[in-house]
Amino acid sequence: GAVVSQHPSRVICKSGTSVKIECRSLDFQATTMFWYRQFPKQSLMLMATSNEGSKATYEQGVEKDKFLINHASLTLSTLTVTSAHPEDSSFYICSVVGRGPDTQYFGPGTRLTVL
Amino acid sequence: GQNIDQPTEMTATEGAIVQINCTYQTSGFNGLFWYQQHAGEAPTFLSYNVLDGLEEKGRFSSFLSRSKGYSYLLLKELQMKDSASYLCAVSTTGGGNKLTFGTGTQLKVEL
Repeated sequence: GAVVSQHPSRVICKSGTSVKIECRSLDFQATTMFWYRQFPKQSLMLMATSNEGSKATYEQGVEKDKFLINHASLTLSTLTVTSAHPEDSSFYICSVVGRGPDTQYFGPGTRLTVL
Repeated sequence: GQNIDQPTEMTATEGAIVQINCTYQTSGFNGLFWYQQHAGEAPTFLSYNVLDGLEEKGRFSSFLSRSKGYSYLLLKELQMKDSASYLCAVSTTGGGNKLTFGTGTQLKVEL
């Protein structure tokens, strides 16, 4: 498998501020990481694919200027929610494709609350 | 596009067996995954099927029929800690390892 961490685990911010979430692959060099969002009692919705050393690929309907992704190394990807609004409050989860075929391993998630 | 269907909720008794079904419609099918997710936590990997048949792993087994676009997750000897959401996810060729998740089945295990 792969061990994935996220920081912070929980964040509360004011509307209009920006929040950065880090995703680290602790035991595996990840050329690809994924960012998901999950609203209460709903499934995971893929936001974007983070590619090391290149631009992220965003899913349809996800604003790339609002959700900035930087994958500067093989072990770290960051998601910055810019000018956050209450509707951005959600559970943000990253994943890494591990050693198994296509198998994704998830970080513990970040609970974002925008006031 | 892709369409993945799972029952929304199921209830079962401790010690019993429960089967959670998943049907999918997709082009370029490249594998099906089952994940377990406890409330407020990230999903954890349970199983992966790419060929038809049953994959057994301890108390959990997963079955796949590619021709029918159907999979199920079988949980035996249910324990209270098995109460969680179970997510079915499909990967497709050319998808770059991307997964599309179903809405999940919330399983409640009762005494």
